[in-house]
Amino acid sequence: DTGVSQNPRHKITKRGQNVTFRCDPISEHNRLYWYRQTLGQGPEFLTYFQNEAQLEKSRLLSDRFSAERPKGSFSTLEIQRTEQGDSAMYLCASSFSRAGKDTQYFGPGTRLTVL
Amino acid sequence: KNQVEQSPQSLIILEGKNCTLQCNYTVSPFSNLRWYKQDTGRGPVSLTIMTFSENTKSNGRYTATLDADTKQSSLHITASQLSDSASYICVVSASRGSYIPTFGRGTSLIVHP
Repeated sequence: DTGVSQNPRHKITKRGQNVTFRCDPISEHNRLYWYRQTLGQGPEFLTYFQNEAQLEKSRLLSDRFSAERPKGSFSTLEIQRTEQGDSAMYLCASSFSRAGKDTQYFGPGTRLTVL
Repeated sequence: KNQVEQSPQSLIILEGKNCTLQCNYTVSPFSNLRWYKQDTGRGPVSLTIMTFSENTKSNGRYTATLDADTKQSSLHITASQLSDSASYICVVSASRGSYIPTFGRGTSLIVHP
């Protein structure tokens, strides 16, 4: 257990439905990242927060994806009008910025299956 | 373009044997390199982290090396155990620009009894 929690762990939904995932980072960590991972691939960056500010978004993040981190604590990732191609593991990671070493601690992930 | 290439893509070894995984990167300017272990269906867990001035780092039976001149890293696993079966991911961060690290695709290791 890294101290980063994600809920739910598994989500099955029908195409066209909206889904929301939650990530609770390690409490003193100021950075929070969302990644998507498909089978046999490394994690792909989606978006990144420093405190409550969303500083970077990947081109992979279409208009159907939105993320928030109110008050710089937990974060949510919402996918609207889900498509079968959204099926993947969604990983959250948090870190504390420190010169030269910024180790990200990953949560267990939320596995999304879109039918 | 920042890239991280890992080899081999997959590896099968017998329990008790040693193995070495490779990572080549083009990330510049270099800040740090991390190796993660990811069990099936779980999130990655950090094994080692090395900055420019560190050329070796150990964590139990795992030893990582870094050659910043050739931009290569290796992860050596000694006396493998069945629990070492996992994907091992090399991640490299730059010291300027984006805080987003570059991930390799991972090496899938299977340890057979």
